Amino acid sequence: EVQLLESGGGLVQPGGSLRLSCAASGFDFSTYAMSWVRQSPGKGLEWVSSLSGRDNSASYADSVKGRFTISRDNSKSTLYLHMSNLRAEDTAVYYCAKEPLGRWIFDYWGQGTLVTVSS
Amino acid sequence: DIQMTQSPSTLSASVGDRVTITCRASQSISRWLAWYQQKPGKAPKLLIYRASTLESGVPSRFSGSGSGTEFTLTISDLQPDDFATYYCQQYDTYSRRTFGQGTKVEIK
Repeated sequence: EVQLLESGGGLVQPGGSLRLSCAASGFDFSTYAMSWVRQSPGKGLEWVSSLSGRDNSASYADSVKGRFTISRDNSKSTLYLHMSNLRAEDTAVYYCAKEPLGRWIFDYWGQGTLVTVSS
Repeated sequence: DIQMTQSPSTLSASVGDRVTITCRASQSISRWLAWYQQKPGKAPKLLIYRASTLESGVPSRFSGSGSGTEFTLTISDLQPDDFATYYCQQYDTYSRRTFGQGTKVEIK
């Protein structure tokens, strides 16, 4: 059974940094591209970043480019999102999501971790 | 970025109804469209991809259609478990994937 478990969310001041983690199990983690998708309170979904399975090719939404860094440790089946220079508008539930091979969609999602940026 | 517009924003329906949600893209995305269901406090769940392909395990009362800029999600014979918010997502460009704003299906 595919499981994705996010951690690392919390309250951070504007301009601060935070690292999210997503522990994966139930599939060959190194084979699949993984993504972060966020959802602001009461709002819709926004794709944030993706990282390919083997060649470490990363993509970012314009809203986070230059501030967020996605990475993965295939030996630990773990995905990370390092967020810096955080803004109030980054406040959201951050979901880790798996992409099926060859399709740019999200077939499994974690339960999400809440990041609140506030002074 | 390609903008995705869903209508209606909220839909009131009864168990057994047939409901249709529309998703319009600001430019052609061929059939690169997926639909998700989200319940309060839960993560989204993939229902349909490639506009009309049902994800494994999803009930056949869900169906999708469309191409280019206009797409629909239809739920025939609405069940109590189907009251949720539905999102479309375009994946025409890998680094520019976007979602619609959501359609809430509520009990009439």
